[in-house]
Amino acid sequence: EAAVTQSPRNKVTVTGGNVTLSCRQTNSHNYMYWYRQDTGHGLRLIHYSYGAGNLQIGDVPDGYKATRTTQEDFFLLLELASPSQTSLYFCASSDDWGGGQNTLYFGAGTRLSVL
Amino acid sequence: AQKVTQTQTSISVMEKTTVTMDCVYETQDSSYFLFWYKQTASGEIVFLIRQDSYKKENATVGHYSLNFQKPKSSIGLIITATQIEDSAVYFCAMREGGGGYKVVFGSGTRLLVSP
Repeated sequence: EAAVTQSPRNKVTVTGGNVTLSCRQTNSHNYMYWYRQDTGHGLRLIHYSYGAGNLQIGDVPDGYKATRTTQEDFFLLLELASPSQTSLYFCASSDDWGGGQNTLYFGAGTRLSVL
Repeated sequence: AQKVTQTQTSISVMEKTTVTMDCVYETQDSSYFLFWYKQTASGEIVFLIRQDSYKKENATVGHYSLNFQKPKSSIGLIITATQIEDSAVYFCAMREGGGGYKVVFGSGTRLLVSP
């Protein structure tokens, strides 16, 4: 069974603070994604990556940086957090086209509050 | 740019009935992949079913099936013989076939199944 682990599960910070959300997958998947979930908006793509050192821009990237350090690890960085970034963040991984379903396997989510 | 729209914010049905959830999508690609995911009350997001754009047959998995109407850019999710545990939020998603692996989601439909 695919495994995606996010940490921390909950985080509270203040406006202007630095936050790093971590995601590790043990699926040997090449693709990893960061989404935020807000009421009325569903899941919106922030950044994604197809391997270590690679970064692709999603649909709502402003205020977020991301870094893929290894195949397993994908980090989301908020360097100057704002209250508008209060949200539920999900990480996901996906296999490649060759034989897989290309479905996303999601982590349990990180709830971030920016005060 | 790819886009997925779910206009139904919530649906309520009685147990053991059939429900259809709507989803329309926009894409410039001739090849694409459509998915439905379920988010349970605990927040867990899981893959349900997938439709490849080049396949004419509607996908079916258990009591989930799809109504794929390509000329209308529509991919409805049909749940037959609904159960209480089908109560959840359902997301429609799309990945374009150009190899970019960007996956975008709709805003979700909340389903409530009552006894």
